[in-house]
Order: sequence, then structure tokens, then C-alpha cells
Amino acid sequence: EAQVTQNPRYLITVTGKKLTVTCSQNMNHEYMSWYRQDPGLGLRQIYYSMNVEVTDKGDVPEGYKVSRKEKRNFPLILESPSPNQTSLYFCASSPHQGATGELFFGEGSRLTVL
Amino acid sequence: KQEVTQIPAALSVPEGENLVLNCSFTDSAIYNLQWFRQDPGKGLTSLLLIQSSQREQTSGRLNASLDKSSGRSTLYIAASQPGDSATYLCALGTGRRALTFGSGTRLQVQP
Repeated sequence: EAQVTQNPRYLITVTGKKLTVTCSQNMNHEYMSWYRQDPGLGLRQIYYSMNVEVTDKGDVPEGYKVSRKEKRNFPLILESPSPNQTSLYFCASSPHQGATGELFFGEGSRLTVL
Repeated sequence: KQEVTQIPAALSVPEGENLVLNCSFTDSAIYNLQWFRQDPGKGLTSLLLIQSSQREQTSGRLNASLDKSSGRSTLYIAASQPGDSATYLCALGTGRRALTFGSGTRLQVQP
């Protein structure tokens, strides 16, 4: 089944404890992206990747890192999480170059930072 | 900067009713427009994708239109069902980088 898989789906952590949210897609998509969704602010892009080893900042990249060493994986790294990073995170991928085609989303990862 | 507005923010209708969700945007220089559905605690599911050169797309009971000149898109849902209850988001592709999302319309279809 074609899908975007995120892990963990739910996580409660404490300020400063490094964590990684994994994202994997099995559709051989070139484009992948991370969004966060917050009440009243909607979905905002954190980082995106056009292909392996090609990543760039989105609208809200502060406090996050990403890497794209393989085509299928695009992990989101929070080096030192803070409470303002409490949010619902979504990974997405697209078969087209960039976000110009249909976007496929993972089921989301709800992160709480205490 | 592209701004996307969805009205109404919430809508409750009886089962069987036809309904229209609205999406307006400020910059007509777009690649495409997508309508998504989001269920509580779930990810987003793409419903319809309209390319910039197209006027509308249809899938089953759903029909989406795009009018770039007026900065508007509508999602028409025919014969609504309780299973259609969800939040509907429109998103515009204004470049290769990302989509710009509206804040969504929360739809409740009463049985």
C-alpha cells in the first residue's frame, strides 16, 4: 500500500531532550516536506526537500533540522525541544518536482514538550 | 504573500443536503489548487487537484472549481452524508516549494 509513515504518532517529552520524528514513504517520491499544524495558525511548512541531499527551509525552520540521505526517508530533528514546539506535525511527499502535484500526507505526529 | 481564506469556518447541515465550501486567495499566480479532507486525529487526504490551466475537477459526489481571475475556488458536495463530516482545507501551490493552506471549514453532517 502506498503510504507516508510517521513515527512516533504521539510523544510527550521534556524541554531540551533531543528527539527525532521519522518519516518514510514507499512511493519513490522525490519531494518531501514537513509541516506543523497549530490552532489558529493552520499548516505551516518547516523544511522541504526536492531530492536526496537537497533540503531547504520553509516558513518556520527555527529549532528544527532535517536530513535527506535516502530518497524514502526524511527525518525531522528537534535538537533541544521547547514548549513552543508543542504541535501536530505532518510529513508529506509528492511524485512531482516540488509541490506542484498531488501531495500525500502521513497521519501526523502529536508532540507535547513540557 | 499569498493569503488563503476559507468561509465559513464551520458548517452544520442535515444529511442529503447539497453544500458549497468556499476558498478565496489573493495571488492568482498559482500552479494548482488542492482540496484536502482532514479527519480528527488523522492526516490530510487529497480530494481533488486542479491545475492552473483547468477550471474544475470532479470525483464522485465532489466537484471543485477554480476561478483565478476572481481568486476563488469552491468545493461542491452533493447529497451530503454523515461520513462527509470532517475539516476541509484548500491549499494553493504558488511555487515548487510549498503549499499555502487555508484555515479550513469544519463540516458536520447531521443524520
